[in-house]
Amino acid sequence: AQKITQTQPGMFVQEKEAVTLDCTYDTSDPSYGLFWYKQPSSGEMIFLIYQGSYDQQNATEGRYSLNFQKARKSANLVISASQLGDSAMYFCAMRGPFDGYNKLIFGAGTRLAVHP
Amino acid sequence: DVKVTQSSRYLVKRTGEKVFLECVQDMDHENMFWYRQDPGLGLRLIYFSYDVKMKEKGDIPEGYSVSREKKERFSLILESASTNQTSMYLCASSRETQYFGPGTRLLVL
Repeated sequence: AQKITQTQPGMFVQEKEAVTLDCTYDTSDPSYGLFWYKQPSSGEMIFLIYQGSYDQQNATEGRYSLNFQKARKSANLVISASQLGDSAMYFCAMRGPFDGYNKLIFGAGTRLAVHP
Repeated sequence: DVKVTQSSRYLVKRTGEKVFLECVQDMDHENMFWYRQDPGLGLRLIYFSYDVKMKEKGDIPEGYSVSREKKERFSLILESASTNQTSMYLCASSRETQYFGPGTRLLVL
């Protein structure tokens, strides 16, 4: 069965510093996709970044990068130069082999607090 | 930009009431999803739909039903609301990436 694990319930970071949010996954399928979402206190889930299992390079989107280590089954999110607006819940999610439905399995989330 | 809207941001209902949560997307996506979110549990899939009038159960369908009469609209129905259905409900639509609505915080008294 597929599973996503986020072991950090909460993280603190100083403004302008980099922070890494951990995500490990478990799947026996060779084809899968990994996603990170941000959920501010307003509640909306915002898509941040995607990594496919066959992608050779780590995904990057602005200040977000995904540290993909396939052998270790980890897909950590790195936020560079943290800003106060980065304070939010962050969820890692996995999509299994493409079946046309694009169902996701989510981790429990990590709450990030950015301090000035 | 993908736009997913939900009918209410906050809702308060009484035990036993029938509750309708509506979700509309404007990107012509085939797939639509309903999740509930509870602290420490992440998001759990209730139902999803891959086409008009087509639906599949997710991980926690008990106590819920859904309706998809038009491609852009996906409704979640609580036939008889109970206090354990107090939660945050999130709708999403996708072709490849799931895009979410703002969520509905439902309180059942």
